[in-house]
Amino acid sequence: TQLLEQSPQFLSIQEGENLTVYCNSSSVFSSLQWYRQEPGEGPVLLVTVVTGGEVKKLKRLTFQFGDARKDSSLHITAAQPGDTGLYLCADGSSNTGKLIFGQGTTLQVKP
Amino acid sequence: NAGVMQNPRHLVRRRGQEARLRCSPMKGHSHVYWYRQLPEEGLKFMVYLQKENIIDESGMPKERFSAEFPKEGPSILRIQQVVRGDSAAYFCASSLTSGGSYNEQFFGPGTRLTVL
Repeated sequence: TQLLEQSPQFLSIQEGENLTVYCNSSSVFSSLQWYRQEPGEGPVLLVTVVTGGEVKKLKRLTFQFGDARKDSSLHITAAQPGDTGLYLCADGSSNTGKLIFGQGTTLQVKP
Repeated sequence: NAGVMQNPRHLVRRRGQEARLRCSPMKGHSHVYWYRQLPEEGLKFMVYLQKENIIDESGMPKERFSAEFPKEGPSILRIQQVVRGDSAAYFCASSLTSGGSYNEQFFGPGTRLTVL
């Protein structure tokens, strides 16, 4: 069974700082998705990566997929309070489509 | 352009009662997934359905839980004889396709079940 480990579990930073969160797997992903979840809401899809070495940018968010497709990172530049939330990575490798989620990184950005 | 809709948003039940959670997928989506989120366990897959078919129920508890996605109407997750341990947030997601590299799932706002 694919195991996803996210680190750090919790991160509290000041507005304007940069940060990176990580998602690592025990085996190869065929695709990996990043979601953000705010309290009381459902996860919102941020990006899907499928190609080893791929880099995708979404405004101040930069997503990297490792060359070996066993790890991924999310870098946020100049964090803002609106970035506060739970960041989840999910493995979409299953042929039935089910997603396997990591435990998530809880990010708090203080004004 | 409505997203995935779930109702009710909050549901309170006493032990032994039944809970019915409803999910309407995004327009044009025929693949529905249910997930459960417990504070100490994270988001866990429960079941994957297409219209009138259960495709993958590997994450469903063996007893008291059932799911359906009829030809007409929303998908229903049913929990019979609820216990306190069933208290959790239940999320529904839908997708246009299943499997493959771009199986992008869109989540509803969830139903928060509290069992007294």
